[in-house]
Amino acid sequence: AQSVSQHNHHVILSEAASLELGCNYSYGGTVNLFWYVQYPGQHLQLLLKYFSGDPLVKGIKGFEAEFIKSKFSFNLRKPSVQWSDTAEYFCAGNNAGNMLTFGGGTRLMVKP
Amino acid sequence: EAGVVQSPRYKIIEKKQPVAFWCNPISGHNTLYWYLQNLGQGPELLIRYENEEAVDDSQLPKDRFSAERLKGVDSTLKIQPAELGDSAVYLCASSFVITGGVGELFFGEGSRLTVL
Repeated sequence: AQSVSQHNHHVILSEAASLELGCNYSYGGTVNLFWYVQYPGQHLQLLLKYFSGDPLVKGIKGFEAEFIKSKFSFNLRKPSVQWSDTAEYFCAGNNAGNMLTFGGGTRLMVKP
Repeated sequence: EAGVVQSPRYKIIEKKQPVAFWCNPISGHNTLYWYLQNLGQGPELLIRYENEEAVDDSQLPKDRFSAERLKGVDSTLKIQPAELGDSAVYLCASSFVITGGVGELFFGEGSRLTVL
């Protein structure tokens, strides 16, 4: 079955630390990939998306993700996190015509 | 521009009671989704509508869950009767999708159900 997996369930960082959250997918062929964020008490919001083209995708709030086809990965990165980045992060993916599948989420806590 | 609106935000019911959730998608969006999110897990698709048609409902437990999207706009999700294991957040999302593709999903704030 097609799936998306996130390796880290909980991550704790200090402010200014670098962030990398792992995401792997199992789709074959053309794939669309997304990272969503859910801040405490708020709804899911799109951080960034990859459909095609440049495998390094830049999103909002300084986040970026790199699509590495050979590794079936789409890891999320940020060079320097802030306390306001405390949230839950979800990787999601699909290929054309199929439903969007979410990973289990990674809960990030940034200590001030 | 208004986002995806869901109601109620919170609902507490006793088991075996019915419950209904309502969703109003973003104007112009042709595709509507209902997702289930259990605590500590990612959203799982229950049903997807393209306009009025349910195009993917394979994950919807049809013995107790039902959904409708009359006129291709608002949607309701119903559970009857509710069970303890149905306690979760029910998320509605909408997008504008060209047939066969997927667009950016915009999510509502969710309806948190507690079944006692």
